[in-house]
Amino acid sequence: LAKTTQPISMDSYEGQEVNITCSHNNIATNDYITWYQQFPSQGPRFIIQGYKTKVTNEVASLFIPADRKSSTLSLPRVSLSDTAVYYCLVGVLRDYGGSQGNLIFGKGTKLSVKP
Amino acid sequence: GAVVSQHPSWVICKSGTSVKIECRSLDFQATTMFWYRQFPKQSLMLMATSNEGSKATYEQGVEKDKFLINHASLTLSTLTVTSAHPEDSSFYICSASTSGRASYEQYFGPGTRLTVT
Repeated sequence: LAKTTQPISMDSYEGQEVNITCSHNNIATNDYITWYQQFPSQGPRFIIQGYKTKVTNEVASLFIPADRKSSTLSLPRVSLSDTAVYYCLVGVLRDYGGSQGNLIFGKGTKLSVKP
Repeated sequence: GAVVSQHPSWVICKSGTSVKIECRSLDFQATTMFWYRQFPKQSLMLMATSNEGSKATYEQGVEKDKFLINHASLTLSTLTVTSAHPEDSSFYICSASTSGRASYEQYFGPGTRLTVT
């Protein structure tokens, strides 16, 4: 079971680049890394997913080193609306099997963007 | 694409009554749906996984007789909180996924706020 560790909170200012790192030391060979964003009283929203190296989409980049024991979510030029909790999940859906599955959310990182 | 809806968005019920929450995948077929619970300022906690046409798999510590899950079709799963008590007040979130994908990807609904008085 690949557990994840993230900073509890981070502060930033508008226009800055924010990097949130997630540690997952016991990641398995088939595991993917997925990041979600959650606003208060809303369901999580998919941000980005990757397996290795670097993945970029229209909202973020995901950097994964060769050993895959950590990953970094990069948010370019954040705005006030990026204030949210960000969760890192590691796993493979089809490997899920009850309490030993991979669908465990960590505590997440609360990002606060200030003007 | 990949939109999941929940109904109702919020509900208030009296202690002892039952409440049903619906989760629908609007533009894709969800062979697997997941139900989470989230208490204030806490992370999401997986309650159960349901596959279309079969019984749900509950996480340890979740009472299957209290939280009834029905995944009757590829686009609908329901969670019924039976004999609700104030401690069941929480934010319930469903997510859905399609089979046959190697990656770990699930699409979340907007959540349902349950308040038991």
